[in-house]
Amino acid sequence: EPEVTQTPSHQVTQMGQEVILRCVPISNHLYFYWYRQILGQKVEFLVSFYNNEISEKSEIFDDQFSVERPDGSNFTLKIRSTKLEDSAMYFCASSAAVGMTQYFGPGTRLLVL
Amino acid sequence: QKEVEQDPGPLSVPEGAIVSLNCTYSNSAFQYFMWYRQYSRKGPELLMYTYSSGNKEDGRFTAQVDKSSKYISLFIRDSQPSDSATYLCAMSMNRDDKIIFGKGTRLHILP
Repeated sequence: EPEVTQTPSHQVTQMGQEVILRCVPISNHLYFYWYRQILGQKVEFLVSFYNNEISEKSEIFDDQFSVERPDGSNFTLKIRSTKLEDSAMYFCASSAAVGMTQYFGPGTRLLVL
Repeated sequence: QKEVEQDPGPLSVPEGAIVSLNCTYSNSAFQYFMWYRQYSRKGPELLMYTYSSGNKEDGRFTAQVDKSSKYISLFIRDSQPSDSATYLCAMSMNRDDKIIFGKGTRLHILP
């Protein structure tokens, strides 16, 4: 069964460093999302991406965040200068078309020290 | 008032019992309602999806939506230890829009 994959599974970084989280969405999907879950809190929407541009972003998704689809298979989330409060589980999701179910990846656990 | 409210639990029930999980919400514009299951250190996995008010059944799982009360429920019949997980209610205004999640209820099924 097709699934969303994410790498790395865990990432530890120093405050102020840049990190890139990678996702491979399901191959025929066209809509891509990033969510995050701070420990003990809700899963929160960050950004949606379609047709090589951001469709919607939350207030969390400020200028230190960016997303990119560098090739036909990968979807990345870059955090330019990490802060302690960026420590969270980051989930990528994808859906086939407008109105279709979002499938989530296993997540990347980011720890900023 | 929070947009989506869900009791975090934990909820412990004996194997074979009927489990009832629920959420309330404040935004009447929500039209699509979902239940996701999340095992420890895994991503959310879609269990049930319903549009507007009504019931939907899938095997041992039944989802109910009451838009007039802004209340959604998930029932699990004949609960199994493998059902032990965190259950997240979620909703959106259009199916392609961002999903708004509840905090999740931790469920333990005791063998």
